[in-house]
Amino acid sequence: GNSVTQMEGPVTLSEEAFLTINCTYTATGYPSLFWYVQYPGEGLQLLLKATKADDKGSNKGFEATYRKETTSFHLEKGSVQVSDSAVYFCALGNSGGYQKVTFGTGTKLQVIP
Amino acid sequence: KAGVTQTPRYLIKTRGQQVTLSCSPISGHRSVSWYQQTPGQGLQFLFEYFSETQRNKGNFPGRFSGRQFSNSRSEMNVSTLELGDSALYLCASSLATGQGPNEQYFGPGTRLTVT
Repeated sequence: GNSVTQMEGPVTLSEEAFLTINCTYTATGYPSLFWYVQYPGEGLQLLLKATKADDKGSNKGFEATYRKETTSFHLEKGSVQVSDSAVYFCALGNSGGYQKVTFGTGTKLQVIP
Repeated sequence: KAGVTQTPRYLIKTRGQQVTLSCSPISGHRSVSWYQQTPGQGLQFLFEYFSETQRNKGNFPGRFSGRQFSNSRSEMNVSTLELGDSALYLCASSLATGQGPNEQYFGPGTRLTVT
């Protein structure tokens, strides 16, 4: 079945540091890949997505590239801010029309001033 | 456009009781999915409803059930509550155009505590 593995947290960075959160996946077919973010006390918000190999998703300074050869979808940001502190989830959507999405375990990011 | 709403936001129940959670999707969204979030197990898919039919189901016991109404609103029910059912229950809605998995929009969740 489908699975998503993302790096353990928590990740603690100083403001303006470079961020990488690793994500690898196992899936059949051609899944879509997503990054979601969850701020304290809130539900998840879609941060970015990529639907096919070599696609780059980007939003709010975050980027991730769909690498089929390495089955990876690492999240990066060049300069993090305190307001980026949240839990980040890598997710995979099956390639059919259904909405079943498989999530990674989440990586907590804490950015300190 | 209003977002996904879930009621109630917080709930405390006793073991053995049952509970019903409600989710109102974004207007025009036809798919509603439910997830359970716990510190130990992370986010786990419960089920998805589309046009009042359950299309997908995760690996949860039969105590967990759901339904969807003609206006796309959905409810999930948990019977014979166990301590391990304490979790944040998230609902997500999607347009579900059929062109692959669409973005899911999540509600704030219902925090269920079983004592």
